[in-house]
Amino acid sequence: DQQVKQNSPSLSVQEGRISILNCDYTNSMFDYFLWYKKYPAEGPTFLISISSIKDKNEDGRFTVFLNKSAKHLSLHIVPSQPGDSAVYFCAAIVGGGADGLTFGKGTHLIIQP
Amino acid sequence: DVKVTQSSRYLVKRTGEKVFLECVQDMDHENMFWYRQDPGLGLRLIYFSYDVKMKEKGDIPEGYSVSREKKERFSLILESASTNQTSMYLCASSLFLGGAGREQYFGPGTRLTVT
Repeated sequence: DQQVKQNSPSLSVQEGRISILNCDYTNSMFDYFLWYKKYPAEGPTFLISISSIKDKNEDGRFTVFLNKSAKHLSLHIVPSQPGDSAVYFCAAIVGGGADGLTFGKGTHLIIQP
Repeated sequence: DVKVTQSSRYLVKRTGEKVFLECVQDMDHENMFWYRQDPGLGLRLIYFSYDVKMKEKGDIPEGYSVSREKKERFSLILESASTNQTSMYLCASSLFLGGAGREQYFGPGTRLTVT
């Protein structure tokens, strides 16, 4: 039973355009959401997070949007750069975090020159 | 910057061996975690610890144990390695479990192969 779903295993975007990565969740107890970026043979790197009391958080080229009614969040990268090519994981946590992070299976983003 | 280090990047062990994976963080974080990553399955939580000598089972604790004798160090132990434990193992730490500061910071990972 997957509580965090990333339905696109891969996404190809042209350099300079906007990349939009999507994530859906089923557990309404999640109250904090995070995006991680992972290169091959390295650990995930924290990118950006959002609390359930917000609907948007922005950090440079990265913006995360949260739609609680739809149980959906998205990560926007503008403009996309070659170094953005990586696997992106969406993760969620319940207040108190007694269960650790719940991760999606990841989306492989490929930035085409 | 938070730094999480893992004792080995690559390990090859034989079936039945006892395996120790070590993780150290340098930011005085309360919480430490062990995950494994497998293709098509994402990251799955094995165990976590919220204080010295305290531990909680994650989603897939079977076949593993952990030890946290010092705040900065969290060890994952495979009591008798099996081939289905071949995986990438990732350690992480976080400052808090609730509120802001729940971001987990990951080490580089240990690629374990059990033959």
